[in-house]
Amino acid sequence: DAGVTQSPTHLIKTRGQHVTLRCSPISGHKSVSWYQQVLGQGPQFIFQYYEKEERGRGNFPDRFSARQFPNYSSELNVNALLLGDSALYLCASSFKPPAEETQYFGPGTRLLVL
Amino acid sequence: GENVEQHPSTLSVQEGDSAVIKCTYSDSASNYFPWYKQELGKRPQLIIDIRSNVGEKKDQRIAVTLNKTAKHFSLHITETQPEDSAVYFCAALLSYGQNFVFGPGTRLSVLP
Repeated sequence: DAGVTQSPTHLIKTRGQHVTLRCSPISGHKSVSWYQQVLGQGPQFIFQYYEKEERGRGNFPDRFSARQFPNYSSELNVNALLLGDSALYLCASSFKPPAEETQYFGPGTRLLVL
Repeated sequence: GENVEQHPSTLSVQEGDSAVIKCTYSDSASNYFPWYKQELGKRPQLIIDIRSNVGEKKDQRIAVTLNKTAKHFSLHITETQPEDSAVYFCAALLSYGQNFVFGPGTRLSVLP
């Protein structure tokens, strides 16, 4: 059974560009969360979706947006990239919202903004 | 805002010794506390978790204890092995917003 998958694995962008990151949850999982992990720090919560509805939002600017599709996969979009957006972006999935179920992380997308 | 503190930031132990990592949280209504292990360049892997209706949980060489009154929880690894070397993160689920708050991490090195 496949785990959480994310694409692309690595990405290089320049300041001002936008980026779309993708996540496919474990089969049967309906909840997806997104995290930003800056080098040397713990993951920071960005969004959580369950059954295609936003259930939680972290302290990130409006340049960050996300959505969940009918097949429960998800996209994270970041507009007007800044150097400080360089990080590992992690997706995590669970069958129910994380308050009720353990969540499992994907391998992440490493974004470098030049 | 809500935060999770984690100590120590780095920890070196001899193989076979025990390691203890401690976290404190600020949201008194938090009720779920997972621990993740992250090896270099890899995804965080859940190693153990505890909910607020229990005070201790054990899985082979790994145990977690929770003190809700003091708002702290600890990871205990016994009989450490070199493959335990990694960064360990604690986390607390806030009582609102489906939001996990992670600690800053502890880099554990097990010396052979």
